[in-house]
Amino acid sequence: DIQMTQSPSSMSVSLGDTVTITCRASQDVGIYVNWFQQKPGKSPRRMIYRATNLADGVPSRFSGSRSGSDYSLTISSLESEDVADYHCLQYDEYPYTFGAGTKLELK
Amino acid sequence: QVQLKESGPGLVQPSETLSLTCTVSGFSLTSYSVSWVRQPSGKGPEWMGRMWYDGDTAYNSALKSRLSISRDTSKNQVFLKMNSLQTDDTGTYYCTRDPMSVMDAWGQGASVTVSS
Repeated sequence: DIQMTQSPSSMSVSLGDTVTITCRASQDVGIYVNWFQQKPGKSPRRMIYRATNLADGVPSRFSGSRSGSDYSLTISSLESEDVADYHCLQYDEYPYTFGAGTKLELK
Repeated sequence: QVQLKESGPGLVQPSETLSLTCTVSGFSLTSYSVSWVRQPSGKGPEWMGRMWYDGDTAYNSALKSRLSISRDTSKNQVFLKMNSLQTDDTGTYYCTRDPMSVMDAWGQGASVTVSS
């Protein structure tokens, strides 16, 4: 199975920060990476698809990028509503696999 | 508007079979695939398997021997059955709509506890 190694596992942040979360794929997954936001007790919400595309209704402060096997989610000028868990997903090959998640917490 | 809703028993006995239903609206099961994803409390999600729009299925190899996914297009429903449940199968089970870019919509989730 493809491993998606996500870092950091948690992050202490302040409002207005620029935050970057990274997933490293254990083998080539091309552009087939999505990012999801999940708030406590809620279902995940797709934020980025195909590595760099903003999902419908997602604020433009969110962006996705790729450098080789490293995939990043960046949140510019963090707002309070962005404090949540974030997960990456590869869907290039079965079984689809998620990263272990990153928890953003306010300082 | 696209909606998915999971339903099923909240409590399952160890070694028994879990049966869940995903009822969809706002899209056709013959145009979109549907995946099942589960998430143990406090942990990351796990993709379980998928019902393709053409009726084909795909399963996570780790679960394949226990898992079956089927559908009834006339009722807009996708079904999950998983046998031989154990305590580590406890968690929240979601169905998702899968365009080619996957998981663009999620159900509210069904909480499942495996306990005697």
